[in-house]
This record gives sequence, structure tokens and C-alpha cells, in this order.
Amino acid sequence: DGGITQSPKYLFRKEGQNVTLSCEQNLNHDAMYWYRQDPGQGLRLIYYSQIVNDFQKGDIAEGYSVSREKKESFPLTVTSAQKNPTAFYLCASRVSGQVAMNTEAFFGQGTRLTVV
Amino acid sequence: DQQVKQNSPSLSVQEGRISILNCDYTNSMFDYFLWYKKYPAEGPTFLISISSIKDKNEDGRFTVFLNKSAKHLSLHIVPSQPGDSAVYFCAASASGSARQLTFGSGTQLTVLP
Repeated sequence: DGGITQSPKYLFRKEGQNVTLSCEQNLNHDAMYWYRQDPGQGLRLIYYSQIVNDFQKGDIAEGYSVSREKKESFPLTVTSAQKNPTAFYLCASRVSGQVAMNTEAFFGQGTRLTVV
Repeated sequence: DQQVKQNSPSLSVQEGRISILNCDYTNSMFDYFLWYKKYPAEGPTFLISISSIKDKNEDGRFTVFLNKSAKHLSLHIVPSQPGDSAVYFCAASASGSARQLTFGSGTQLTVLP
């Protein structure tokens, strides 16, 4: 079964700690994305990657970092510099290039991060 | 600056009636539009999409209408069912922009039995 998997589902972090959220996909998609959802708001783009070893900042990248060493994996690190890290984080993937002109993005089940 | 807007945070509809969810956008470069459905604590699931070369796309009970001149799209659900109760997000993307999706803030649809 092809899909996109995020882990863990729930994560608690102490203030001042870095934490890494996992995202793995076996859909053979080149493009991967990280979004953040806050109550009453839409999904805001944190980082995206169109190809291995390349990634770009989204609208709210401050306090976050990513890596893309493998096509299947796009982990997100929430650093201590992120002032309001408590949120629901969603990873997505999509076919890229000309093929992607009219395709949807597939989402994982999300990770709820809470700072305690 | 919100490029995709869903001005109704919530909508309640009687079972069997039509649900109409609206979405407005400001970026004229957007050429592909999607609707996603989301349950609490889950990832969004794709529902239906429309390309800017069309003005209507239908899939079963779901129809999306696009009015490019007004920069407006809507999702019609007929007939509405209690299982349709969820948050619906409108999203848009533009050619040549790495194809990332820009999302609206969502509309909570409640279908009353």
C-alpha cells in the first residue's frame, strides 16, 4: 500500500529543546512539503523540496529546519528558535515537474506537537 | 496577505439538502484549484479539483464551479450526508511555482440528521 507516514502522532517537547518530526513516503513522489495548522487557520507552508538534496523556505520557515537526503524522507526539525511551536504539523507529497501540473498532494496523518 | 480566502468559518445544513462552500482567491496566476476534506487530528484527504481551463467539474455528489472573472470557486455537495461533516479546505496552485498549494482557512460543515 502506497502512502505517506508521519511519526509520532503526538509529541511533547520541553521549552528550549529541538525535536524532529518524521515523514516518509513510498509513492515515488519527488516533491515533499511541510505545513503547519493552527486553530481557525488554514495550512501554512513551512518548507518544501522538489528534489533530493534541495529544499526551499515556505511562508513561515523561521525556527524550522529540514533535510532531504533520500527521496522517501523529509524530516522536519522544530528548533528552540521557534517561538510558538505548539501546532498540528502535516507532511505532504506530490508528483513534480510537468506531470504535476494537475495533480493533488497526498497528506500524512499529522503530528500534534505540544510544548510543555 | 491571504491569497485564498474562505470567509465562512462554519456552515450547517440539513441532511439531504445542498451544501455550498465558497472560496475566493486574489492571485491571478493560480490555475489549479482543489478541495480537501479534513477530520480532527487527521491529514486532509483530496476531494475534487478543477483546472482553470474548465468552469465545472463533477464527481458523484460533489461539483466544483470556477468563475475566473470573479476569482471565485464553490463546492456543491448534493445530497448532503451526516458523514460529510468535516472541515473543508480550498487550495490553489500556480504553474511554475514549485506547485506548492496555498490553502484557505477552512469551513466547518455540519450536516444535521
